[in-house]
Amino acid sequence: GAGVSQSPSNKVTEKGKDVELRCDPISGHTALYWYRQRLGQGLEFLIYFQGNSAPDKSGLPSDRFSAERTGESVSTLTIQRTQQEDSAVYLCASSLSLSGNTIYFGEGSWLTVV
Amino acid sequence: DQQVKQNSPSLSVQEGRISILNCDYTNSMFDYFLWYKKYPAEGPTFLISISSIKDKNEDGRFTVFLNKSAKHLSLHIVPSQPGDSAVYFCAAPYGGTSYGKLTFGQGTILTVHP
Repeated sequence: GAGVSQSPSNKVTEKGKDVELRCDPISGHTALYWYRQRLGQGLEFLIYFQGNSAPDKSGLPSDRFSAERTGESVSTLTIQRTQQEDSAVYLCASSLSLSGNTIYFGEGSWLTVV
Repeated sequence: DQQVKQNSPSLSVQEGRISILNCDYTNSMFDYFLWYKKYPAEGPTFLISISSIKDKNEDGRFTVFLNKSAKHLSLHIVPSQPGDSAVYFCAAPYGGTSYGKLTFGQGTILTVHP
């Protein structure tokens, strides 16, 4: 597709359940990023991937959060044992490379933990 | 620790007038700044950027000013149009080689009245 694609667009889950969020970056973009935006706050960096290099996981808030990326394509963000404070929009972005100074965001996955 | 701050949660202006959105930062090592615009239910889109070697960057109706001594930047929109109504975020790359690893301000909601 032309842009960054994320699924699901909306997810309501019960506290304690695991969720998986998917991101398809723009074709040819080697760098992929996950961000989170909680209500009324700015975007928080979570993790980024660049090619086959080890990902930068420095923004992941706890060990309940993990992410994987298959080569230079799809990425999955997994949240285990969800908590109510995990409720947020999870935004994926991609760029041509790490030094590409424009990153392109998807529309986000709205997660509500009840 | 909020390294980029937008202290005005909202701004309301009349169509045709100037909109001025402000952003302050605390880390003097930041050398590049970006503004993103976000419409409801969409991902943020890149608007304009500025390198710390400049004090002004202009792109059409949008101009960003950087005052390094005050650690302050501002986005000017002239003339403002109703379609400019959105949330505006300032951001700066931090911690490493990736321009996509960004710290964001909390955002300012701009409303332009016809």
